[in-house]
Amino acid sequence: DIQMTQSPSSLSASVGDRVSISCRASQSIGTYLHWYQQKPGKAPKLLISASSSLQSGVPSRFSGSGSGTDFTLTITSLQPEDFATYYCQQSYSSRITFGQGTRLEIK
Amino acid sequence: QVQLVQSGAEVKKPGASVKLSCKVSGYSLTDLFIHWVRQAPGKGLEWIGGFDPEDGGTINAQTMQGRVIMTDDTSTEAAYMELTSVTSDDTAVYYCATVSCSSGNCYFEYWGQGTLVTVSS
Repeated sequence: DIQMTQSPSSLSASVGDRVSISCRASQSIGTYLHWYQQKPGKAPKLLISASSSLQSGVPSRFSGSGSGTDFTLTITSLQPEDFATYYCQQSYSSRITFGQGTRLEIK
Repeated sequence: QVQLVQSGAEVKKPGASVKLSCKVSGYSLTDLFIHWVRQAPGKGLEWIGGFDPEDGGTINAQTMQGRVIMTDDTSTEAAYMELTSVTSDDTAVYYCATVSCSSGNCYFEYWGQGTLVTVSS
């Protein structure tokens, strides 16, 4: 299976900050990489598909980049509602795998 | 707008089977590919398996091989996942989700609300 490794595992930041979350694949996956946001007690929500395609209704402060093995989710000007856990997911292999998650906390 | 409504919480004893449902509305199940993802308490997301958009067959995570049965019933617009021989390690919230693909690049677009399965003697 393709291993997905996110860093950092947790991150403290303040409202208005810019943050980046990294996701690294154990082999090249092109742009078969997607990002989700999950809040406590809720189902994950798709933010970005195919590395950089922002889903409808997702604020433009979210952006994704990368290809091959290294990917980044960037959030500019953090808002209170952005504090959550973020997961990357690869679909290059039909055996889908997720990163372990990055918890974004308020400083 | 696709909506997925999952069945209620379950408590099972070790060794038992559990069958979860995921009812679709707002779209025809025949046009959707449903997958299942679980999340153990305080842990990350783990893909279980689902229907492959390429051939309509089912594919599972290797760790779940042989214990997961995924079916659907178009007459009731519901998808089902049965997990057999459960252990305490199977205690988790189980989500169903639809797979959407763009140029073969597939992601989970719509999610159910989750079903808590607790395995305890």
